[in-house]
Amino acid sequence: EADIYQTPRYLVIGTGKKITLECSQTMGHDKMYWYQQDPGMELHLIHYSYGVNSTEKGDLSSESTVSRIRTEHFPLTLESARPSHTSQYLCASSRFGTGGRDTQYFGPGTRLTVL
Amino acid sequence: AQRVTQPEKLLSVFKGAPVELKCNYSYSGSPELFWYVQYSRQRLQLLLRHISRESIKGFTADLNKGETSFHLKKPFAQEEDSAMYYCALSGRTGNQFYFGTGTSLTVIP
Repeated sequence: EADIYQTPRYLVIGTGKKITLECSQTMGHDKMYWYQQDPGMELHLIHYSYGVNSTEKGDLSSESTVSRIRTEHFPLTLESARPSHTSQYLCASSRFGTGGRDTQYFGPGTRLTVL
Repeated sequence: AQRVTQPEKLLSVFKGAPVELKCNYSYSGSPELFWYVQYSRQRLQLLLRHISRESIKGFTADLNKGETSFHLKKPFAQEEDSAMYYCALSGRTGNQFYFGTGTSLTVIP
């Protein structure tokens, strides 16, 4: 079944640890995105990718990095987690539509807590 | 600069009453506007987009370029409409995608 998967769903980790949040999609989409959302706040785009070997930073400055080695996989890595990274991270994907305006489909999210 | 503004964080209406969730935007050029919805314990999903000019689950939204608004409306609210609603704007390129802060709608039985 076509879907977007994120693992883990919840993660509690200590300061200084390296973590990778996984995102995979079986939608056949070219474009993928990472958003950060604090409780009660808007979603902020932190990374996006148009396809394999393409990654760009979004509007919100982030200390995380991403990679896109395979079309279906778009992991996000924090080299050294800090309490300020505590947030919900949402992965999304869309087709490569005209003008970049296609509907985005979201994963279930990863709630990260850094102690 | 805030691209998408949803002035109401919380909105409560009685079942059967009309509901309007407000969204105003700021963008030069021709944006595309969306409404996304998140029901309890479910993921964020598209409700409707202005370019489709369709009605989904009884909801409609009209893009008013003069007032730079994209309000979401439904004539008769149902209990199952209780959810978090986000207005979103897409600019010309893929990195220009902005969400509002969301409005939590509660429909009172």
